[in-house]
Amino acid sequence: GAGVSQSPRYKVAKRGQDVALRCDPISGHVSLFWYQQALGQGPEFLTYFQNEAQLDKSGLPSDRFFAERPEGSVSTLKIQRTQQEDSAVYLCASSLSGYTGELFFGEGSRLTVL
Amino acid sequence: DAKTTQPPSMDCAEGRAANLPCNHSTISGNEYVYWYRQIHSQGPQYIIHGLKNNETNEMASLIITEDRKSSTLILPHATLRDTAVYYCIVRAPTFDYKLTFGKGTLLTVNP
Repeated sequence: GAGVSQSPRYKVAKRGQDVALRCDPISGHVSLFWYQQALGQGPEFLTYFQNEAQLDKSGLPSDRFFAERPEGSVSTLKIQRTQQEDSAVYLCASSLSGYTGELFFGEGSRLTVL
Repeated sequence: DAKTTQPPSMDCAEGRAANLPCNHSTISGNEYVYWYRQIHSQGPQYIIHGLKNNETNEMASLIITEDRKSSTLILPHATLRDTAVYYCIVRAPTFDYKLTFGKGTLLTVNP
């Protein structure tokens, strides 16, 4: 595929469950970002990877949130013990270069916590 | 802290030009102005960016005032598919690896 692919597109979880969201960036893109978007708001930065290195995780809201990109391509955002306030769309973006490149976004994974 | 100010919503008639304003009065000399848009249920999409000169591409034109404190994104012939939230973002690409989004402007193109 030519674009950023995210799965699942929709996830419903019961409060307290763990979830994992996957992102397949564009092939060859060095930089990968995760954003969280609440209803009616703009996307909020969560974390940034350059290849396999997580260089910035300042936006992760709590230690229940964990992201990894072990081989520098596919990334997974994991949320442990989900809470209702975690309900949001989680967007993944990649770019050829983290500093100068245009960001390409996936369609997002919509998480609903009941 | 928001570095840009945009109106929350605007309307435009199909086929007419849509002019979306953005204020960025505290912009620094090395910061560019970027525009992204987000169509409902999709991820944001890059439109255009510029430093101080006006820019044009196949999607839009970007007009930046001489003092760089404001800019206008112009969609020359809006279509129904241009209905989206438009985000104006300032970013210094050599220092800022991430985009910081505000709430943007919801542009509704009416038939």
